Amino acid sequence: AQTVTQSQPEMSVQEAETVTLSCTYDTSESNYYLFWYKQPPSRQMILVIRQEAYKQQNATENRFSVNFQKAAKSFSLKISDSQLGDTAMYFCAFMKGRAGNMLTFGGGTRLMVKP
Amino acid sequence: DGGITQSPKYLFRKEGQNVTLSCEQNLNHDAMYWYRQDPGQGLRLIYYSQIVNDFQKGDIAEGYSVSREKKESFPLTVTSAQKNPTAFYLCACQTGGIFRNTEAFFGQGTRLTVV
Repeated sequence: AQTVTQSQPEMSVQEAETVTLSCTYDTSESNYYLFWYKQPPSRQMILVIRQEAYKQQNATENRFSVNFQKAAKSFSLKISDSQLGDTAMYFCAFMKGRAGNMLTFGGGTRLMVKP
Repeated sequence: DGGITQSPKYLFRKEGQNVTLSCEQNLNHDAMYWYRQDPGQGLRLIYYSQIVNDFQKGDIAEGYSVSREKKESFPLTVTSAQKNPTAFYLCACQTGGIFRNTEAFFGQGTRLTVV
């Protein structure tokens, strides 16, 4: 079974600064997807960024980027120029093989952006 | 508009009762999932289904049951065998097959409370 670990239960950052959230996973699969989801106080889950394991290039989406280290099984999220609206729970997730397979989440990191 | 809808938003259950949470999607997605979220914690997989008339147990299936008679619908029944059902329940759907831009879309959740 796959496991996903987020070692930082809570983090805070000043507005406009940069913060990095950590995620590690354990799998014997070679083909898989990794995701970061955001859950604001409304509790609506929102996709932040995705990474396909076969791609060596790190994914980026505007202020969000990942550092994907396949050998180390590490998938960290960097948020640049943090905004108050980034305050939320952030979940790392793993899915092996093709879409529609089991989607496993980490325990989450609560991020607070301070003005 | 295409999307995934959960109902009701709030649900109260008496001890010993079975209750059913609804999840409907019109995105034509093959895969559907049910997750449980406890306060301040991550998402734990209850059941998932990759195709009509088929579903698999997740990590915490005991005390829950599901059906997948139609592609659009994946209701979750919380039975009286579930001893601690108070939680936030999230339904999700995802395109099956090998799609590179895959992501899971989530409903807005159902808050279940035992009274």
